[in-house]
Amino acid sequence: QQQVKQSPQSLIVQKGGISIINCAYENTAFDYFPWYQQFPGKGPALLIAIRPDVSEKKEGRFTISFNKSAKQFSLHIMDSQPGDSATYFCAASKGGSNYKLTFGKGTLLTVNP
Amino acid sequence: DAGVIQSPRHEVTEMGQEVTLRCKPISGHNSLFWYRQTMMRGLELLIYFNNNVPIDDSGMPEDRFSAKMPNASFSTLKIQPSEPRDSAVYFCASTLLAGGDTQYFGPGTRLTVL
Repeated sequence: QQQVKQSPQSLIVQKGGISIINCAYENTAFDYFPWYQQFPGKGPALLIAIRPDVSEKKEGRFTISFNKSAKQFSLHIMDSQPGDSATYFCAASKGGSNYKLTFGKGTLLTVNP
Repeated sequence: DAGVIQSPRHEVTEMGQEVTLRCKPISGHNSLFWYRQTMMRGLELLIYFNNNVPIDDSGMPEDRFSAKMPNASFSTLKIQPSEPRDSAVYFCASTLLAGGDTQYFGPGTRLTVL
């Protein structure tokens, strides 16, 4: 049973464009939703995270939008750059980062120059 | 500051052999997680420890897998005997039990079982 569904599997965007990755979750007890970025040969690294008490969180060019009623959240990358090319994972947990994280399957983002 | 350290970075072994993966968490972190990453199944949590005590090992696929954390600065994941389907990248991550922090991942160990 996949508790966090992520789409699309892959995404190609032109430099300067907006990249949008979506995730949907099933467990209403989840209360912590991070996004991780992974470059080839490296471990995942936290990019940005949100809790359900807010509907949006922005850090630089990266924004999480959260829709509690729809049980969906998304990552928006504004002004996408070739250096953003990586695999992005959404995740969810009950209680925060020190608890079990359930990951989506990942989205391979390619930003063309 | 040193991040999470994993060794070896690459391991190639033959089916039936014992494999031991090692992890040193970030100093001061008291929660440690072992993940497995494959193309088919993505990132899966195998087991995690709080203050060196295993909390949830429901992700450990079989009895062939075992994990220990003898002290706050060291953990091992052992596979005995190894099988080709165990081939994957294994990550260790650590964080503070008090929360409000992220899970910091190590660089991973790429395991190939022939």
